[in-house]
Amino acid sequence: NAGVTQTPKFQVLKTGQSMTLQCAQDMNHEYMSWYRQDPGMGLRLIHYSVGAGITDQGEVPNGYNVSRSTTEDFPLRLLSAAPSQTSVYFCASSLSGWVNEQYFGPGTRLTVT
Amino acid sequence: AQSVTQLDSQVPVFEEAPVELRCNYSSSVSVYLFWYVQYPNQGLQLLLKYLSGSTLVKGINGFEAEFNKSQTSFHLRKPSVHISDTAEYFCAVTLNTGGFKTIFGAGTRLFVKA
Repeated sequence: NAGVTQTPKFQVLKTGQSMTLQCAQDMNHEYMSWYRQDPGMGLRLIHYSVGAGITDQGEVPNGYNVSRSTTEDFPLRLLSAAPSQTSVYFCASSLSGWVNEQYFGPGTRLTVT
Repeated sequence: AQSVTQLDSQVPVFEEAPVELRCNYSSSVSVYLFWYVQYPNQGLQLLLKYLSGSTLVKGINGFEAEFNKSQTSFHLRKPSVHISDTAEYFCAVTLNTGGFKTIFGAGTRLFVKA
């Protein structure tokens, strides 16, 4: 199993550009989530999904969109990048919601200039 | 409102010394508790978790944590640390509301010195 994979590993965007961060898992997990990690703030939940076709907002959803057309994939779209979105983004998956551990991808380091 | 507080942002310690990383939480509903470790330039991985039962839980790499409901704490301990334990440690709380909400603490950077 590859686990949770994320691409790209690094990305630099200009303000106003859009892009999609890719996330895939091969563990047949129902739950997937996107977090951003900022210094001194831990991880904050952006969006999550409890199954294909079902998504919901987390703590900091503004400026991001998600979709879940398959169990395996959960892409995160930045609609119009802003410097405040400079962060490290982690995708995670878990077998079910709140009693199971989350498996994290290696992260995407995004810089918006 | 629910919150997770990790009381120390950095903990320097000498190799083979014991260490305790402190975590307190605030919640009006029942919770499940987790500790994750993040090595440099990697994602997080689970160290241990408390769901129910014995309040002392053992995890990987010799770590253990104790759930104290009255003090709403879940401190992480290791009796003797190694250089390889240098990493950032995150306490996380998942809320038992039927939905999916996990709150992470800000992290504690453990630095083990030779």
